[in-house]
Formats: sequence, C-alpha cells, structure tokens
Amino acid sequence: SQTIHQWPATLVQPVGSPLSLECTVEGTSNPNLYWYRQAAGRGLQLLFYSVGIGQISSEVPQNLSASRPQDRQFILSSKKLLLSDSGFYLCAWSVQSLRNTEAFFGQGTRLTVV
Amino acid sequence: KQEVTQIPAALSVPEGENLVLNCSFTDSAIYNLQWFRQDPGKGLTSLLLIQSSQREQTSGRLNASLDKSSGRSTLYIAASQPGDSATYLCAVRPPGFKTIFGAGTRLFVKA
Repeated sequence: SQTIHQWPATLVQPVGSPLSLECTVEGTSNPNLYWYRQAAGRGLQLLFYSVGIGQISSEVPQNLSASRPQDRQFILSSKKLLLSDSGFYLCAWSVQSLRNTEAFFGQGTRLTVV
Repeated sequence: KQEVTQIPAALSVPEGENLVLNCSFTDSAIYNLQWFRQDPGKGLTSLLLIQSSQREQTSGRLNASLDKSSGRSTLYIAASQPGDSATYLCAVRPPGFKTIFGAGTRLFVKA
C-alpha cells in the first residue's frame, strides 16, 4: 500500500534562517507531488506541484522554493524565512496517469517563524 | 477561475443527529470531487471521492452527493458521534494537476 511521510511534524525557526521540509512517498511510482500551505482558519493554498523529477511548477510568488531530486521525494525550502511563512504545510500525492484520482496527504508540518 | 465555498463555516450538533455539510463550486468542468476530514493539527484524511460521472458515494455513515451541473455537493453524516468532530474539507479537481479546496466546515458533536 502507498504511504506518505512528512517531517518534521513541528518546527520553530527564527526569522532569516533557512528551511528544509521533506516529503517522501512509498508504494507508488511517478506520482504527482504537491506542497500546500494552510493558514489558521483558512483553506489550503497550493504552493508547488511536480509531475516528475526536476519538474516544479510554482503557483504563487513567495519566499519558498521546491525541488524533486528523486521520483518520490519532494522538498520545500527557503533561504531566509519570513514571519509570514508561518503556517501548516502539507505534502500530497496523486496518481499521475489518470484524471479521476484521489489526493492523499501527509500529516503536515507546523512551522512557526519567530 | 474555479472557487469552492463551504457552508456553514462551523456547526455544533448534539450526538445522534443527522447532518448535512454543503459545498459549492463555480465551474462545473471538474474531473472529481473529494471530501476530506482534518483533525486539529493533523493532515487530511480522504473520506469519499466522487468522479464526475457519478452522482453519489457512500462509506459507512457517510454519503456524498454530486450535482455537477449546479455546482453542488453535500456530505451527509448519519447518527453523528463525538468522534466525528473535525473539520471537513471539500475539494474539486478541474482539468490539470491542481486540486482546489474550500475553507472547510468545522464540526463539533456534543456528547
């Protein structure tokens, strides 16, 4: 069966520090991968998605970047965090080859920038 | 531009009550609609997936309907329990790779 791992679960970082959040998927090949951010009391905002190794699409201009160095690994990064980067970050995957597919989510990372 | 709206934003009901959560979307060109549950501080758990050609899906006490032409979906929860307390999110998959989410309905079931 497929599983998705996301870590760390919580993170407190000072303003200006770098960030690296990692997401890995097991049990499937060539998935679509996604990073979302959820602000308190609001819906999910799509940040990045990837349809293959090295292929990254950015949805909103921001202080973050994403990379996909391996088929089932998706990394969210920042060189210098801002206070506004605080939030709940969720990684997700879906099967790429079919349109009518479910999205599956990791357990999320609570990032607090202080 | 596809937008997803969920009503109500929050709901409190006594245990045992049947309830309906509503989701509406502005563009009927979707591949599927998915309902998720999110517990506080946790990730999303997929509850039901309705493909664009389907009208409803059922899982246990949950039933989700889809009326694509009117841009509406409902999630029906029968005989609610305190363990059903969570935020319920509706999401649609338009053509492309994205999934568009509503802001969710926060449900509290009182014992």
